[in-house]
Amino acid sequence: EAQVTQNPRYLITVTGKKLTVTCSQNMNHEYMSWYRQDPGLGLRQIYYSMNVEVTDKGDVPEGYKVSRKEKRNFPLILESPSPNQTSLYFCASSYRQDYNSPLHFGNGTRLTVT
Amino acid sequence: AQKVTQAQTEISVVEKEDVTLDCVYETRDTTYYLFWYKQPPSGELVFLIRRNSFDEQNEISGRYSWNFQKSTSSFNFTITASQVVDSAVYFCALSEAQYQGAQKLVFGQGTRLTINP
Repeated sequence: EAQVTQNPRYLITVTGKKLTVTCSQNMNHEYMSWYRQDPGLGLRQIYYSMNVEVTDKGDVPEGYKVSRKEKRNFPLILESPSPNQTSLYFCASSYRQDYNSPLHFGNGTRLTVT
Repeated sequence: AQKVTQAQTEISVVEKEDVTLDCVYETRDTTYYLFWYKQPPSGELVFLIRRNSFDEQNEISGRYSWNFQKSTSSFNFTITASQVVDSAVYFCALSEAQYQGAQKLVFGQGTRLTINP
């Protein structure tokens, strides 16, 4: 089954403790992206990647890192989480330059930073 | 810059009523795509529809219909004979071309729809 898999689904952590949210897709998509969802703000893009070893900032990249060492994986790294990063996170993927293909989203990771 | 506005933060109706969710967008591109996503209480994002800027035909899918009007930059979503299972947050989104043709979605703030039995 074609899918984008995020783990964990829920995560509670404390300020400053490094964490990684994993994202994997099995559709051979070149393009992958991370969004965060906050009440009243909709979803905003954090980082995106056009292909292996190619990443770039989205609209709200501060406090986040990503890597793309393999085509299927695109982890989101919070090196020193803070309470303002409490949010619902979504990973998404699609074929590059395929305007007819909608983004495929993972099921989300709800992160709480205390 | 592109922008999507969903002015209705929350809507509450009684089951079987019709309900329309408004979406207004801003873009300078002549080619763009508009989307609607549903987010049920379980939290995942469910793709509902994609419409490109050259296709202004309205679309109907069962109880769902979409009205795209370029003249008013609107892409409204109507649920006919609403059901409790339609309760969710609904997002309208606009595609924005990124580097080398990648598609970035610009989302509206979302409308929380509650259907009461």
